[in-house]
Amino acid sequence: NAGVTQTPKFQVLKTGQSMTLQCAQDMNHNSMYWYRQDPGMGLRLIYYSASEGTTDKGEVPNGYNVSRLNKREFSLRLESAAPSQTSVYFCASRGTSGRGDTQYFGPGTRLTVL
Amino acid sequence: RKEVEQDPGPFNVPEGATVAFNCTYSNSASQSFFWYRQDCRKEPKLLMSVYSSGNEDGRFTAQLNRASQYISLLIRDSKLSDSATYLCVVGANAGKSTFGDGTTLTVKP
Repeated sequence: NAGVTQTPKFQVLKTGQSMTLQCAQDMNHNSMYWYRQDPGMGLRLIYYSASEGTTDKGEVPNGYNVSRLNKREFSLRLESAAPSQTSVYFCASRGTSGRGDTQYFGPGTRLTVL
Repeated sequence: RKEVEQDPGPFNVPEGATVAFNCTYSNSASQSFFWYRQDCRKEPKLLMSVYSSGNEDGRFTAQLNRASQYISLLIRDSKLSDSATYLCVVGANAGKSTFGDGTTLTVKP
C-alpha cells in the first residue's frame, strides 16, 4: 500500500514549456486534489475531482488543466509554464481514517520555471 | 481578508513548555475543521480533527468555538519532535478545504 505517489519529484522548465505532473493513489478514494504551496504560505487548491469523471476549479486554476484518468490517477498539466508557477505541487486523496475525514498527501513535486 | 488566518509565529519554546495556537475562519458555513502538521520540505499529515465538543489526543487538545469562528490547538509538555509547521484547515462543502498559512513551532532543548 503505497498511498499517494507523485512523479516527478523535481523538475526544471523553461518559460513556455509544457509538462504533466502525475499522481496516483491506491486507497480506492473517490476525491482527489491538486494544491500548490509557495514559500511561507499554506496550500492553495488548484483543481479537485470529487469522483471519477468529474473535475472542478479550485482557488487558483489559471494556467493549469487536469485529467481524472480513472479512479486511481489524477494528472495536472501546465500548458505553457511561467515563472509564477514555480512552486511545490502536492496531490492528495480524501478518505476516512481512525481520526475521521483525512486528506492523504503525496510527497510533492518541486517545480522551478526559469 | 483571508478565509483562514493563523499567527505565523515563529513560536520558540523550551522542551516541556505548553504552547497554544489559534486560527480564525471567515466562512460561517464551514463544517469541518482540522489541524495538520508539516515538517520541513515534507507533505502535510493529519494531526487531528477538531470536534464541536473539543477533543484530546495525548498531549494535544483541540477546541472549536463556532460563535467566534476560531479553532485552537494546545500542545502540552512540548518535545523536540513537535518542531514543525502546524496548518489550520477548514472545510465547507464538496470536500473542499481551505488551508491557513501555518504556524511554525521550534522546540529547543
